[in-house]
Amino acid sequence: AQSVAQPEDQVNVAEGNPLTVKCTYSVSGNPYLFWYVQYPNRGLQFLLKYITGDNLVKGSYGFEAEFNKSQTSFHLKKPSALVSDSALYFCAVRDIEGTYKYIFGTGTRLKVLA
Amino acid sequence: GAVVSQHPSRVICKSGTSVKIECRSLDFQATTMFWYRQFPKQSLMLMATSNEGSKATYEQGVEKDKFLINHASLTLSTLTVTSAHPEDSSFYICSAPTSGSPSSYNEQFFGPGTRLTVL
Repeated sequence: AQSVAQPEDQVNVAEGNPLTVKCTYSVSGNPYLFWYVQYPNRGLQFLLKYITGDNLVKGSYGFEAEFNKSQTSFHLKKPSALVSDSALYFCAVRDIEGTYKYIFGTGTRLKVLA
Repeated sequence: GAVVSQHPSRVICKSGTSVKIECRSLDFQATTMFWYRQFPKQSLMLMATSNEGSKATYEQGVEKDKFLINHASLTLSTLTVTSAHPEDSSFYICSAPTSGSPSSYNEQFFGPGTRLTVL
């Protein structure tokens, strides 16, 4: 069965410092991986995805993610954190069985401190 | 990007009543939509896959008679929580992929969510 894991419930980082939000996955076959962000009482917003190609994927709001097949990881990164980046971040893998179903990680709350 | 709306954004109802939540794709057609439930400080739990013109597919453990889903058009899916009880209080979110092709790897677009409170 496919799954994603986000090992950190919360990540704290100082404004201006680089941030990393971790995600590891377990899939059979090629992984189709996504990152979403959720602000309080809001739906999820798409940040970026990895389907194939370059291992470093660039997305919205200056975020990027690095796909590492040997470590089965897809960590989200940003070179310089902003206070406004504080939110809940979800990693997801797409079901390969012909549907659009996502399997979400448990989420990581990012807190950027001024 | 594509826009998905939900209505209402917030609803408070009495125990035993039914509540309908609408999910609309505003600028694209969606043959498939998904309904999720999110508890406070927790991840999204997929409840069901809504299929235009056919029956919804429910995830294991989700009562189909409790959570009625209707996908009557290519832009509208509704979730009706029947005989709601306080334990049904939650944040309900819908989503839709922009492409109708099952082989597409397009991302999904999410509605803003509906907060249901059952008294």
